[in-house]
Amino acid sequence: SQQGEEDPQALSIQEGENATMNCSYKTSINNLQWYRQNSGRGLVHLILIRSNEREKHSGRLRVTLDTSKKSSSLLITASRAADTASYFCATDENYGQNFVFGPGTRLSVLP
Amino acid sequence: DTAVSQTPKYLVTQMGNDKSIKCEQNLGHDTMYWYKQDSKKFLKIMFSYNNKELIINETVPNRFSPKSPDKAHLNLHINSLELGDSAVYFCASSSTRISGRGDEQYFGPGTRLTVT
Repeated sequence: SQQGEEDPQALSIQEGENATMNCSYKTSINNLQWYRQNSGRGLVHLILIRSNEREKHSGRLRVTLDTSKKSSSLLITASRAADTASYFCATDENYGQNFVFGPGTRLSVLP
Repeated sequence: DTAVSQTPKYLVTQMGNDKSIKCEQNLGHDTMYWYKQDSKKFLKIMFSYNNKELIINETVPNRFSPKSPDKAHLNLHINSLELGDSAVYFCASSSTRISGRGDEQYFGPGTRLTVT
């Protein structure tokens, strides 16, 4: 079964709005990462949050991690049309023994 | 200055054939990976490899085999191709920390394999 499960599967918002995506996982982890994939392209690393961190920021991105609930959220503020992409969370399952991606959230930002 | 490159970008072949996809990284990373992304965009790890160990996802058929001539390359060989092998295959690399693996990965652009 998928370790990281993103929610929602698809999200459509207007430019300027905030987008929030959630990720849940099942096992213990060292870190959780978020990646973006533009259509027809490879994945691009966005941000990594370690298991002892609760929140991290990078530009317009804000990631939270709740290890007690085994969940994370990715917030993109002031979204732009260029943010349209699929977003994946990834965890190093069982303290790094395996690397697992969730099914992704497809974000559409309408101009 | 491509960090992780893959060739070919597109590969169309017939069932039963044997094919290879090449991957090269110029980041000095010591761990490389192969992923398969199906039509529903699910991304599954197939292999992770550094100069010390190969970790194979147990669900990967033994028709798939990684071959690493050196630290900068990890090629994927596929024997007796089947229709279900059609997917996009991504190579990635990372720098393994002492305490484990799974840090930031750099992905190649992908190889779209179509088996007819």
